[in-house]
Amino acid sequence: GDSVTQMEGPVTLSEEAFLTINCTYTATGYPSLFWYVQYPGEGLQLLLKATKADDKGSNKGFEATYRKETTSFHLEKGSVQVSDSAVYFCARHSGNTPLVFGKGTRLSVIA
Amino acid sequence: DVKVTQSSRYLVKRTGEKVFLECVQDMDHENMFWYRQDPGLGLRLIYFSYDVKMKEKGDIPEGYSVSREKKERFSLILESASTNQTSMYLCASRPGHTYEQYFGPGTRLTVT
Repeated sequence: GDSVTQMEGPVTLSEEAFLTINCTYTATGYPSLFWYVQYPGEGLQLLLKATKADDKGSNKGFEATYRKETTSFHLEKGSVQVSDSAVYFCARHSGNTPLVFGKGTRLSVIA
Repeated sequence: DVKVTQSSRYLVKRTGEKVFLECVQDMDHENMFWYRQDPGLGLRLIYFSYDVKMKEKGDIPEGYSVSREKKERFSLILESASTNQTSMYLCASRPGHTYEQYFGPGTRLTVT
């Protein structure tokens, strides 16, 4: 069935470091792809999305490109801040079905 | 702004109790979802609903039931709470025409 695999955490980075969180998805159909973020004590909120191949989603300095050839949607940020510490979830959606989430990657950024 | 509210942020119940978790959304969304979140397991879908009085099982429905009598409200019911149902429960809603899901803040349930 449909699935999403993302790198296991936790990921610990120093402030201003470069971030990559890998995400791959099963290639069934033509899914839309998402990154959600969960800050401590809160629910999930949408960070960015891409609905077709080669689209780039971006928000708050984060970017991810929908790569159909590698079935990937890796999250990147050039310079992380302490306030980026959170859990990041990759997700896919196709048809009239619920979102399928990866297991989440916890990011800790230290000053 | 879309708002999804959950009745409690923290809840402590005893084994065997019947537990109700309430979720309300204020944007007339057709679709609503209940997930549980556990360390190392991510989000797992319990039940979802595409319309009033409709419900569909998700990946882990055992031990749970749901009710959707009104469009804005989706309730998760633990018929007889057990310690393995200690978890964070997240509710979400989504309009019928988009894929973006909006989440509530979560209810951390502890069953003792």
